[in-house]
Amino acid sequence: GESVGLHLPTLSVQEGDNSIINCAYSNSASDYFIWYKQESGKGPQFIIDIRSNMDKRQGQRVTVLLNKTVKHLSLQIAATQPGDSAVYFCAEVNTGTASKLTFGTGTRLQVTL
Amino acid sequence: GAGVSQTPSNKVTEKGKYVELRCDPISGHTALYWYRQSLGQGPEFLIYFQGTGAADDSGLPNDRFFAVRPEGSVSTLKIQRTERGDSAVYLCASSPEWGSNEQFFGPGTRLTVL
Repeated sequence: GESVGLHLPTLSVQEGDNSIINCAYSNSASDYFIWYKQESGKGPQFIIDIRSNMDKRQGQRVTVLLNKTVKHLSLQIAATQPGDSAVYFCAEVNTGTASKLTFGTGTRLQVTL
Repeated sequence: GAGVSQTPSNKVTEKGKYVELRCDPISGHTALYWYRQSLGQGPEFLIYFQGTGAADDSGLPNDRFFAVRPEGSVSTLKIQRTERGDSAVYLCASSPEWGSNEQFFGPGTRLTVL
């Protein structure tokens, strides 16, 4: 399948450790921010989203933090597993523009055993 | 249930040719999006359909690109006079309704223009 993220920043973590992936966004008018996971040869897969009026949201093993002051978003993955290896993208959404996604630069997460 | 499907999975064509890429969204999803992803980049928005109509085509790079969704379900992205710079993965996503944040992506069609 298509290889995604050949020239992307890479984060290497050991299995069982926590991972933190960062993203800077550009549009202060965005209503939502979403993290997507993309495995090689597949389309992006929704992980978690957060409204612009929140600063933290937790899911299963994942936490998203939003800092609107510095336009920064982070994804924390607890107890990283080999299956978490993929390219991760943040995306911003302005619902006034039909919810089209504006993706940021991705980060490749490599989980080592 | 079935997810978003796209055909073909791979398409190799020669510069100047015409290509059609097909997207079958999740049944019942009214919103459909096309994105283009170049190697090492995030997907870039091309066009959005709400039902049969193109509600936003601001991402189409030029008039060689066109998309239709005649019955509000299947969509076809059409590229005329292909250029080498059109080589990319073309992704389709569908969403249950306008304003829903969760878009479900297909696996993409990898287009290579020689």
